[in-house]
Amino acid sequence: NAGVTQTPKFRVLKTGQSMTLLCAQDMNHEYMYWYRQDPGMGLRLIHYSVGEGTTAKGEVPDGYNVSRLKKQNFLLGLESAAPSQTSVYFCASSSPVTPMFAETQYFGPGTRLLVL
Amino acid sequence: QKEVEQDPGPLSVPEGAIVSLNCTYSNSAFQYFMWYRQYSRKGPELLMYTYSSGNKEDGRFTAQVDKSSKYISLFIRDSQPSDSATYLCAMSGGKLIFGQGTELSVKP
Repeated sequence: NAGVTQTPKFRVLKTGQSMTLLCAQDMNHEYMYWYRQDPGMGLRLIHYSVGEGTTAKGEVPDGYNVSRLKKQNFLLGLESAAPSQTSVYFCASSSPVTPMFAETQYFGPGTRLLVL
Repeated sequence: QKEVEQDPGPLSVPEGAIVSLNCTYSNSAFQYFMWYRQYSRKGPELLMYTYSSGNKEDGRFTAQVDKSSKYISLFIRDSQPSDSATYLCAMSGGKLIFGQGTELSVKP
């Protein structure tokens, strides 16, 4: 049982390049999330999904797109990377509870992204 | 003003000390309060979870919520070097907001 895994672990991009971060979970969780973590800012929610085929915007969605084609996978895309997107990106998953966002979230190990 | 404020530290204590970590918040809608622990270069993991006001104890860890003061705390008794990590408070009430984390170092 691997839990939540993220690919790649580290990436360097040049401004304007695109890339996709992959998150996979084997816990059969309905909900999945993408966060970014920056010094002094804590974790901020980029996008989330409440089920296969659904996505929704979080606190800082600009510059990112997501897709949830399969229940176990959640993809985060950067179409045209900018230096401001240099960050550590974490994926998380959870089982649904009421109310939403009160559930325990299980995090992956993170992807470190540097945009030059 | 941030909805959740947390002193980033770093906080350094000797082994065996009692550690107090705190967060303040401004949103009265927050009902669920959590503490996540994050080791260096790892993802956060849930440590403690409380609903509304009161205390909750789990081994050496005690979480305390004072909704009247909008203040939450995490106490670590008999701290160990293995407790060295960043501790993030998180609060939920229609959305989940994380504090910026407090970096704790427990020296042998």
